Amino acid sequence: EAQVTQNPRYLITVTGKKLTVTCSQNMNHEYMSWYRQDPGLGLRQIYYSMNVEVTDKGDVPEGYKVSRKEKRNFPLILESPSPNQTSLYFCASSWDRVGETQYFGPGTRLLVL
Amino acid sequence: DQQVKQNSPSLSVQEGRISILNCDYTNSMFDYFLWYKKYPAEGPTFLISISSIKDKNEDGRFTVFLNKSAKHLSLHIVPSQPGDSAVYFCAASAQGSDMRFGAGTRLTVKP
Repeated sequence: EAQVTQNPRYLITVTGKKLTVTCSQNMNHEYMSWYRQDPGLGLRQIYYSMNVEVTDKGDVPEGYKVSRKEKRNFPLILESPSPNQTSLYFCASSWDRVGETQYFGPGTRLLVL
Repeated sequence: DQQVKQNSPSLSVQEGRISILNCDYTNSMFDYFLWYKKYPAEGPTFLISISSIKDKNEDGRFTVFLNKSAKHLSLHIVPSQPGDSAVYFCAASAQGSDMRFGAGTRLTVKP
């Protein structure tokens, strides 16, 4: 079954404690991205990757890091989380940057105290 | 700066009636538009799209209309079913670049 998996699904942490949200896809997609969803703002792109070792900033990259060492994995790293990073995070993968082929993961709900 | 706007946070309709979800955009370079559907505790899933060279695209009960001069698109669901209850996101892309999403509209279809 084609899917994008994210772990953990829920996370409560404290300010400044480094965390990593993992993302993995089994469709051999080249393009992967991370979004955050906030009330009234919709989904905003944090980072994206066109292929292994190729990553670039999206609209809201501040406070986040990513890496793409393998095609299937695209972890999101928060080196020093702050309360304004409390959000719902989605990983997505696709054959290209736009649309119909984009598969989203189930989401990770993060609360930073 | 929100380039894609969904001004109605919620919409409630009766089963069997038409649901109309609206979306406005400000960037005239957008040339590809999509609607995604999202159920609770799941990621968004692609629903229907339209290119700027068209003004209508239909897929079963779902039709998307594009009015380029007004920078407006709408999603029509006819007839609406309770299973259509979800959050609907409008998204737009300019020349293959990354998508910009609206804030979403929560549709409730009452039996």
